Amino acid sequence: AQSVSQHNHHVILSEAASLELGCNYSYGGTVNLFWYVQYPGQHLQLLLKYFSGDPLVKGIKGFEAEFIKSKFSFNLRKPSVQWSDTAEYFCAVKGNNRLAFGKGNQVVVIP
Amino acid sequence: NAGVTQTPKFRVLKTGQSMTLLCAQDMNHEYMYWYRQDPGMGLRLIHYSVGEGTTAKGEVPDGYNVSRLKKQNFLLGLESAAPSQTSVYFCASSLDIQPPQHFGDGTRLSIL
Repeated sequence: AQSVSQHNHHVILSEAASLELGCNYSYGGTVNLFWYVQYPGQHLQLLLKYFSGDPLVKGIKGFEAEFIKSKFSFNLRKPSVQWSDTAEYFCAVKGNNRLAFGKGNQVVVIP
Repeated sequence: NAGVTQTPKFRVLKTGQSMTLLCAQDMNHEYMYWYRQDPGMGLRLIHYSVGEGTTAKGEVPDGYNVSRLKKQNFLLGLESAAPSQTSVYFCASSLDIQPPQHFGDGTRLSIL
């Protein structure tokens, strides 16, 4: 079964700073990759997804993620964060018809 | 369009009590899921269903039962609640085998 690792569980940064959240997975077969966001008090929302094709995926709200197959990674990036990006971010990997979530990154953006 | 609706939103139980969480979706989705979310643990799949009348175990199924008698409803039951089941429970649905894109607002369950 696949597993997903997210590092730096708590991230604090100032507005306009750049954000990068790491996601590594362990599964040797074909995978689909996802990032979800959960704003305070809300349910999860799909931020972006990768199935195939261009490994650089652009999602909503200025987020993007890059799939690097050789590194088993799918890191999330945003060049300039806003206070409204304060949320918890979850990476998820689907392989062999099973979906696994990472433990999440709690991101706090200070105005 | 309500999407995915969970009831109740909050509940406090005593150890040993039973209860059922209800999830309803109005999008005619085949797949429905129950997750629990715990601090530092991410989301863990409890049970899921690939269609009316079917259920399957997820990652952490022990202590829970589910039923999918109607396509739009997916019930999660706790027969004898334990403090370890204190968590936030999320229901989700998807049209096909793709990962869930529609989540409910969650049920915060505390077991004393």
